[in-house]
Amino acid sequence: GQNIDQPTEMTATEGAIVQINCTYQTSGFNGLFWYQQHAGEAPTFLSYNVLDGLEEKGRFSSFLSRSKGYSYLLLKELQMKDSASYLCAVRDAYSGAGSYQLTFGKGTKLSVIP
Amino acid sequence: GAGVSQSPRYKVAKRGQDVALRCDPISGHVSLFWYQQALGQGPEFLTYFQNEAQLDKSGLPSDRFFAERPEGSVSTLKIQRTQQEDSAVYLCASSLKSPGLAGGRSYNEQFFGPGTRLTVL
Repeated sequence: GQNIDQPTEMTATEGAIVQINCTYQTSGFNGLFWYQQHAGEAPTFLSYNVLDGLEEKGRFSSFLSRSKGYSYLLLKELQMKDSASYLCAVRDAYSGAGSYQLTFGKGTKLSVIP
Repeated sequence: GAGVSQSPRYKVAKRGQDVALRCDPISGHVSLFWYQQALGQGPEFLTYFQNEAQLDKSGLPSDRFFAERPEGSVSTLKIQRTQQEDSAVYLCASSLKSPGLAGGRSYNEQFFGPGTRLTVL
């Protein structure tokens, strides 16, 4: 099984940088995903990490430390449209077609204020 | 558009009614997933299809929940004798390849539909 923890809510100022942390305890691991979800909408893919280190994609970066069971999502130059929930999800180790599900954290609701 | 679509977007049911929720995945996507998302929570896995085969249904909360994908494309999630605790958003996601074809290290992104918000009165 998986246990995934992330803060419930965060507030940050437009133009600033915010870091959303995620810790996980898993029986297997085959990658960590970050998704963005605006209220009432579908989650949309932001990033994927399977090896330790930092993955950068524009204003968004994601970091993974497998030994610590830790990841963070870094958002730079915050914009009002970044106000959304950010979901951390871990994929089980692949051991057959049945074990490919994503286990999501509860999400971090980010509010960007002027 | 070419994304995942779901219908209906909103469904209100009286307790005890049966409901059917439809998912149209992206054309050609092998894998299809159903998730349940309660208010203020992350999505929780329900079931997984590889083409028409239901390979994992470990997340279905009870035998009132049933899913099918008979021709390997459109999928239907059916809930019988709905209860108030079934009220949630039901999300469908698809991905291009199965884990075996993609390779264990491929990220093989899941694309989500907009969901069906089910309210059971």
